[in-house]
Amino acid sequence: EAGVAQSPRYKIIEKRQSVAFWCNPISGHATLYWYQQILGQGPKLLIQFQNNGVVDDSQLPKDRFSAERLKGVDSTLKIQPAKLEDSAVYLCASTHGTGGGTEAFFGQGTRLTVV
Amino acid sequence: AQSVTQPDIHITVSEGASLELRCNYSYGATPYLFWYVQSPGQGLQLLLKYFSGDTLVQGIKGFEAEFKRSQSSFNLRKPSVHWSDAAEYFCAVARFGNEKLTFGTGTRLTIIP
Repeated sequence: EAGVAQSPRYKIIEKRQSVAFWCNPISGHATLYWYQQILGQGPKLLIQFQNNGVVDDSQLPKDRFSAERLKGVDSTLKIQPAKLEDSAVYLCASTHGTGGGTEAFFGQGTRLTVV
Repeated sequence: AQSVTQPDIHITVSEGASLELRCNYSYGATPYLFWYVQSPGQGLQLLLKYFSGDTLVQGIKGFEAEFKRSQSSFNLRKPSVHWSDAAEYFCAVARFGNEKLTFGTGTRLTIIP
């Protein structure tokens, strides 16, 4: 079974530039998550999708971050404009989405450095 | 809101010694509890999970964890560590009906010969 795919693996941009990350979840997984992991901290949820609808985006800085999951499969997360404090690893995860506490599978992440 | 505390930022253990990583959670009802491991440059891999039933759960790579409701704890243990266990370990909690995870800050495990 193929895992969660993310690209790119690494990205370096200057502040105020824009950047986009892509995620393809495990086939058949209805729920997709984007987490932000700042160095030395645990992952923090940014947004949760159920199929192509947003379930929770309460911690997404909507003035600069946006995400979409067209057709309920792959997803993109965008930052525009980026700030220095956005430097982090962005992790995508997916679950079957049955609400039964099933395992979340994580991609390898995209490491973003804003200079 | 749920929260997770991992009081140990960094632990150093000799190879072959036993290991216990601490995790305390705050949640009003019975939580779903998880331990994930993250090796450098890698994503998170699930070690084990607790939903209900037997409070001692077995996971992969020889790890186990015990849920203690009275102490709001879910500590991870391994009787004998291997050099390959060096990694970052995260405890996480989810509430019933939602798989959204709240993570602790992690414990970095170093193994010395």
